[in-house]
Amino acid sequence: QVQLVQSGAEVKKPGASVKISCKASGYNFTSHYMHWVQQAPGQGLEWMGIINPSRGSTIYAQKLQGRLSMTRDTSTSTVYMELSSLRSEDTAVYYCARGRREGYNQDALDIWGQGTLVTVSS
Amino acid sequence: DIVMTQSPDSLAVSLGERATINCKSSQSVLYSSNNKNYLAWYQQKPGQPPKLLIYWASTRESGVPDRFSASGSGTDFTLTISSLQADDVAVYYCQQYYSTLFTFGPGTKVDIK
Repeated sequence: QVQLVQSGAEVKKPGASVKISCKASGYNFTSHYMHWVQQAPGQGLEWMGIINPSRGSTIYAQKLQGRLSMTRDTSTSTVYMELSSLRSEDTAVYYCARGRREGYNQDALDIWGQGTLVTVSS
Repeated sequence: DIVMTQSPDSLAVSLGERATINCKSSQSVLYSSNNKNYLAWYQQKPGQPPKLLIYWASTRESGVPDRFSASGSGTDFTLTISSLQADDVAVYYCQQYYSTLFTFGPGTKVDIK
């Protein structure tokens, strides 16, 4: 079945970086755009950015420019999200989510990973 | 960025009654070239990832019960749960994908009265 499986929880110190993985299965990995969404404790959803798994091209939310990097490994059908210069406000659950239609970057997000909790604390 | 707002922030509805959530975008999310509204609705239960309910503003995702319906165009949208069930207790988010910089609404919490 189609699924996205994310890596496990992380605890990081302020100023460090975190890299989370999202492994796709059950569909053609390079055909669907992948997004990352942040959810701070008790808060709403915030879109972080998108990657084209075929070309590796990315678009990031402006507030995360310079700290966010999305990459992919087509050999393992895995996308990665790396956030650097971590601060306490980055404590959140991070989700990867698939774009619904093949080949379209503008579409709803139909499959979500289980989420990865990142805790930033000294 | 397109700003999404939702109302109310929360609502409590009796089992079997109707729940209505509103969503407004700061600019139109209607693409004139294909006459589609680039608007989705998600349901999120505690401890779970969001679940896609509706896309193109009114198209129900496969497997979503037909008590969920949605409407609207341009900048104003509505999600309706026609007969609230206990399983519908959740936070509901609208999201625009008209802009390549996607944005979500702040969410509406639905509870049982």
